[in-house]
Amino acid sequence: QVQLAESGGGVVQPGESLRLSCTASGFTFSSHAMYWVRQAPGKGLEWVAVLSHDGSARYYAASVKGRFTISRDNSKNTLFLQLNSLRGEDSAIYYCARDIATGIKARWFFDNWGQGTLVTVSS
Amino acid sequence: EIVLTQSPATLSLSPGERATLSCRASQSVSTYLAWYQQKPGQAPRLLIYDASTRATGIPARFSGSGSGTDFTLTISSLEPEDIAVYYCQQRSNWAITFGQGTRLEIK
Repeated sequence: QVQLAESGGGVVQPGESLRLSCTASGFTFSSHAMYWVRQAPGKGLEWVAVLSHDGSARYYAASVKGRFTISRDNSKNTLFLQLNSLRGEDSAIYYCARDIATGIKARWFFDNWGQGTLVTVSS
Repeated sequence: EIVLTQSPATLSLSPGERATLSCRASQSVSTYLAWYQQKPGQAPRLLIYDASTRATGIPARFSGSGSGTDFTLTISSLEPEDIAVYYCQQRSNWAITFGQGTRLEIK
């Protein structure tokens, strides 16, 4: 079955960096666009970034553009999110999620999610 | 950025009743809209996409309708396990936004 497992979260100070990973199994990882979505404690969902199945196209939410970088290693079935210049408002559970479609026809809807990794930015 | 506004914020109903959740977009999103269910301590689960297509394994009591700016998620007969927060989500102009959520409580 499809599994997504995030890791790399933790407690950091404002201005510091963190790298999140999402390891995929149970499906052909290289065929799906992948996403990061976050959720601050007790709050709603916020889309962060998307990366196409082959890594050729990526888009970011305005709130993280220029600070976060999404990437992937299809040979290792792993999605990454590099978080730089972290702020208090970046504190959240970060989920990776899979697009419902395969190949270039990404639908930008998410049919499988990981359980998330918690990032806390605090001095 | 397209803003999605969900109503009501909280809905309290009894088992067996019909639940109607609304999502309104600040501009047309055609039918590029999805609904997710999130139970406490869990990741969201896709219920509906393309406004009205049920995702794999989703019970038939969940249905979606609408196009343009007004959308509805209907749960035809509430089950106790439907307690959750429900989010709508749209995609347009290479960006994604979510509604703020509707909390569904069972009386």
